[in-house]
Amino acid sequence: DGGITQSPKYLFRKEGQNVTLSCEQNLNHDAMYWYRQDPGQGLRLIYYSQIVNDFQKGDIAEGYSVSREKKESFPLTVTSAQKNPTAFYLCASSPRASSYNSPLHFGNGTRLTVT
Amino acid sequence: GENVEQHPSTLSVQEGDSAVIKCTYSDSASNYFPWYKQELGKGPQLIIDIRSNVGEKKDQRIAVTLNKTAKHFSLHITETQPEDSAVYFCAASVPGGSYIPTFGRGTSLIVHP
Repeated sequence: DGGITQSPKYLFRKEGQNVTLSCEQNLNHDAMYWYRQDPGQGLRLIYYSQIVNDFQKGDIAEGYSVSREKKESFPLTVTSAQKNPTAFYLCASSPRASSYNSPLHFGNGTRLTVT
Repeated sequence: GENVEQHPSTLSVQEGDSAVIKCTYSDSASNYFPWYKQELGKGPQLIIDIRSNVGEKKDQRIAVTLNKTAKHFSLHITETQPEDSAVYFCAASVPGGSYIPTFGRGTSLIVHP
């Protein structure tokens, strides 16, 4: 089955540590996205990538970093500079970033808890 | 940029009733409007979408209507069932550029058996 795999499902870290969330897709999609979800806040865009080796900041990129070395993979690093990192993180993909009439395909998320 | 408002934030209905969720958008150039359903602990999944060249689309118990003049679109669920309980998100997309959909804040639908 084609889809998006996020791992792990739950992640716990101590404050001050960097942590990397994994996102892999086998849909052969060009574009990938990272969203953060907090209760009552909807989906907020962190970073997106339209093509390998290129990515753009979203609305809340501060304290996060990404890489896109392979088409299938778009890992997100939550750095110690992120002031409130505890949240549910969603990865998504779409066939082409310019496909405005194509829906996003989401993974099942990683819930990060930082104490 | 585009702004999408979604109402209500919470909707509670009895099984068998209808549910309606409404969204408004600000950019008249938007021409693609998907709806996503997010079950607890999972990622959102597309349930229906509509493009600006049509006013209504149906798929079994769900339908979406679009009023481009008023810049609003709505999700209608008939004969609700407990498994319809979830968070629903609307979104709007403007053609061209880098394409990033703008999401509403979500509606938590609770269907009581």
